[in-house]
Amino acid sequence: EAQVTQNPRYLITVTGKKLTVTCSQNMNHEYMSWYRQDPGLGLRQIYYSMNVEVTDKGDVPEGYKVSRKEKRNFPLILESPSPNQTSLYFCASSLGWSTTAYEQYFGPGTRLTVT
Amino acid sequence: AQKITQTQPGMFVQEKEAVTLDCTYDTSDPSYGLFWYKQPSSGEMIFLIYQGSYDQQNATEGRYSLNFQKARKSANLVISASQLGDSAMYFCAMREGTSLLVGSEKLVFGKGTKLTVNP
Repeated sequence: EAQVTQNPRYLITVTGKKLTVTCSQNMNHEYMSWYRQDPGLGLRQIYYSMNVEVTDKGDVPEGYKVSRKEKRNFPLILESPSPNQTSLYFCASSLGWSTTAYEQYFGPGTRLTVT
Repeated sequence: AQKITQTQPGMFVQEKEAVTLDCTYDTSDPSYGLFWYKQPSSGEMIFLIYQGSYDQQNATEGRYSLNFQKARKSANLVISASQLGDSAMYFCAMREGTSLLVGSEKLVFGKGTKLTVNP
């Protein structure tokens, strides 16, 4: 089954404790992206990757890191989480980026709470 | 300025009736794509329908259709014969396509419309 998986689905952590949210897709997609969703703000892009070893900042990259060492994986790293990073996080992937027609497939979401 | 505007925070519809969810967008890029996603209470994002800026016909997918009015920069989602399972948040999103160098791949989302279908 074609899918994007994220782990963990739920996480409660404390300020400053480094964490990683994993994202993996099995569709051989080139493009992957991380979004955060906050009430009243819709989804905002954090980072994206157009291929292996090619990553760039989205609209709200502060406090986050990513890496793309393999095509299928795109982990999101919070080196020192803070309460304002409490949010619902989505990983997404699409076949490519050379046309607007490629829909993005979303993972199930990771609900993160930082206390 | 917001690139995607959804002016209806909440909408109510009776089961089996049709409903239109509004979306207006702002771009100067001649090449762009418009998407609608559904987010039920369980949280996942479900792709519904896509409209390209050069598509001559309005997109349709089952009970979903997109009323694309390019001159007005609107891309309203029409759901026909509403079902209880249609109750969810609906997001309109845009992807600009001409500039492939910086960030054009991203989806820019509106703030969403919460649709409630009443029995």
